[in-house]
Amino acid sequence: GAGVSQSPSNKVTEKGKDVELRCDPISGHTALYWYRQSLGQGLEFLIYFQGNSAPDKSGLPSDRFSAERTGGSVSTLTIQRTQQEDSAVYLCASSPPGLGGYNEQFFGPGTRLTVL
Amino acid sequence: SQQGEEDPQALSIQEGENATMNCSYKTSINNLQWYRQNSGRGLVHLILIRSNEREKHSGRLRVTLDTSKKSSSLLITASRAADTASYFCAMIKAAGNKLTFGGGTRVLVKP
Repeated sequence: GAGVSQSPSNKVTEKGKDVELRCDPISGHTALYWYRQSLGQGLEFLIYFQGNSAPDKSGLPSDRFSAERTGGSVSTLTIQRTQQEDSAVYLCASSPPGLGGYNEQFFGPGTRLTVL
Repeated sequence: SQQGEEDPQALSIQEGENATMNCSYKTSINNLQWYRQNSGRGLVHLILIRSNEREKHSGRLRVTLDTSKKSSSLLITASRAADTASYFCAMIKAAGNKLTFGGGTRVLVKP
């Protein structure tokens, strides 16, 4: 079956602009995660959705970052007023039903964001 | 911040040799997972070991976990050029749900 998909694969934007990154998880997966990978910080957790529960936003680096998950499926990560330090690869992952953290996570190919 | 630390940061070996990388962590975990990443993009899950397990095998992969030392190792036996990638350990903290990654080990397998 189809894996996790993300779009766009690459995004170049100017400092101060808003961007939206999209993630389509594997069908039937109830848990969805966003991570960020940058040279200086490695792989960082951003946000976690599990079913209808309130999301765990503890990894979002500032209030310019937000994410939503509509209908328990597709998720959008929005970065407002982008800064150069936001440049990174943004990775989405999903995992099957059950206690999400106890299962393996399936990653998408990522969106490479470059802020000029 | 990363909870895990991996060593070595980079490893270069000849095809057919074994590759061993280590991961240390700081807090109690529920499970520890190893992932592979090619070309800086998507991660592929390799193996998951739970906190009550000590060793696990999957094909040419062998993972150990020592919770008393808060450390894990990944061994790739009989390496192939296709094993060239970055390898990351990732931990789920006890009563947690998100992965915390180590810094990764870049492995180069020379044909």
